[in-house]
Amino acid sequence: RKEVEQDPGPFNVPEGATVAFNCTYSNSASQSFFWYRQDCRKEPKLLMSVYSSGNEDGRFTAQLNRASQYISLLIRDSKLSDSATYLCVVNGGNQFYFGTGTSLTVIP
Amino acid sequence: NAGVTQTPKFQVLKTGQSMTLQCAQDMNHEYMSWYRQDPGMGLRLIHYSVGAGITDQGEVPNGYNVSRSTTEDFPLRLLSAAPSQTSVYFCASSYNWAANEQFFGPGTRLTVL
Repeated sequence: RKEVEQDPGPFNVPEGATVAFNCTYSNSASQSFFWYRQDCRKEPKLLMSVYSSGNEDGRFTAQLNRASQYISLLIRDSKLSDSATYLCVVNGGNQFYFGTGTSLTVIP
Repeated sequence: NAGVTQTPKFQVLKTGQSMTLQCAQDMNHEYMSWYRQDPGMGLRLIHYSVGAGITDQGEVPNGYNVSRSTTEDFPLRLLSAAPSQTSVYFCASSYNWAANEQFFGPGTRLTVL
């Protein structure tokens, strides 16, 4: 079983739409959770950390459900510039485990 | 700060050749790691280091060696290149393994013929 699983998509949404991504993880002892963004042919970059109480950064909201072992990312009022691949990342032991990523395309 | 740098950006090898991918960071990070990224597979950890002189294997270590003689540098050596090693390789660093953020280099695109 993979450590981290994501729906690969692709998600194609119109500008202004709200879109949500989910990610599940297998290690119940995991302590740290993140969402990274990766643009085509570029390196991943941290979008936001995910805290137990949930957290928001502008149009982005991240949630953690420890009981069900899943993480979510909500993007409101989608912009063309949000088009990218979103990677779910979970820290376990002394390693970081990446999901395969969810592809988002925002259409004009 | 240059952040995390990787060289070369592109490389083509023939089967059986060896080479070293270079990675350096100037942020005094203790934790460094190497990933490969293949279509549909996500990033997979090859090797990592929690500090100078300490390295350990990740998910896909076969065919690769690493060393960490200094805090700054973490080279990845391909011992005898195989077509299955065609991939994009990313080096990353963070303050420590429990840190919030990993910083990635720009990647090396390797093709093995």
